[in-house]
Amino acid sequence: QQQVKQSPQSLIVQKGGISIINCAYENTAFDYFPWYQQFPGKGPALLIAIRPDVSEKKEGRFTISFNKSAKQFSLHIMDSQPGDSATYFCAAIQSGGYQKVTFGIGTKLQVIP
Amino acid sequence: KAGVTQTPRYLIKTRGQQVTLSCSPISGHRSVSWYQQTPGQGLQFLFEYFSETQRNKGNFPGRFSGRQFSNSRSEMNVSTLELGDSALYLCASSSIPSGSSYNEQFFGPGTRLTVL
Repeated sequence: QQQVKQSPQSLIVQKGGISIINCAYENTAFDYFPWYQQFPGKGPALLIAIRPDVSEKKEGRFTISFNKSAKQFSLHIMDSQPGDSATYFCAAIQSGGYQKVTFGIGTKLQVIP
Repeated sequence: KAGVTQTPRYLIKTRGQQVTLSCSPISGHRSVSWYQQTPGQGLQFLFEYFSETQRNKGNFPGRFSGRQFSNSRSEMNVSTLELGDSALYLCASSSIPSGSSYNEQFFGPGTRLTVL
């Protein structure tokens, strides 16, 4: 049972283009939504995160858009570069209690020159 | 500050064998979580330990077990290995339990387990 649905699973973008990865969730108790970036041979690393009381968060070329009513959030990578080629995971956390981090299935991004 | 280390990095086993994987968290971190990563399933939560106590467990069979030592180092054991256990096993450490909001988990590079 996948509580966080991520799409697409693979994405090819031209250098300089915009990469968009989408995630949707069902559990309205989730209250923290991080994105992780994973390069081959490495573990995932936190890229950017958002709380549901904010509709957008931007850090450099990376932006999270959050739609609480639709229970959807997305990652936008502006001016995509070959160095951005990696697998991206969205995640959702329900704070408090004994809750675990729920990850999306991942999106393999390839930025071609 | 040294990152999360996992040993071994690669492991090849045969069906029916058992395996033990090790994870050393970042110094000062008391929470260690384990994940199984496969192409078809993504990152699946196995369990989390905090101060030597298992706080949470994912939906994996009892063949998967773990423990945490007083120095926060953690081990994961898989008994009676099956072909489907082939995966990248990741551990992540954090200073506070993973369910806490705004808490960052730091991942190790993983152990690539191949079951033949």
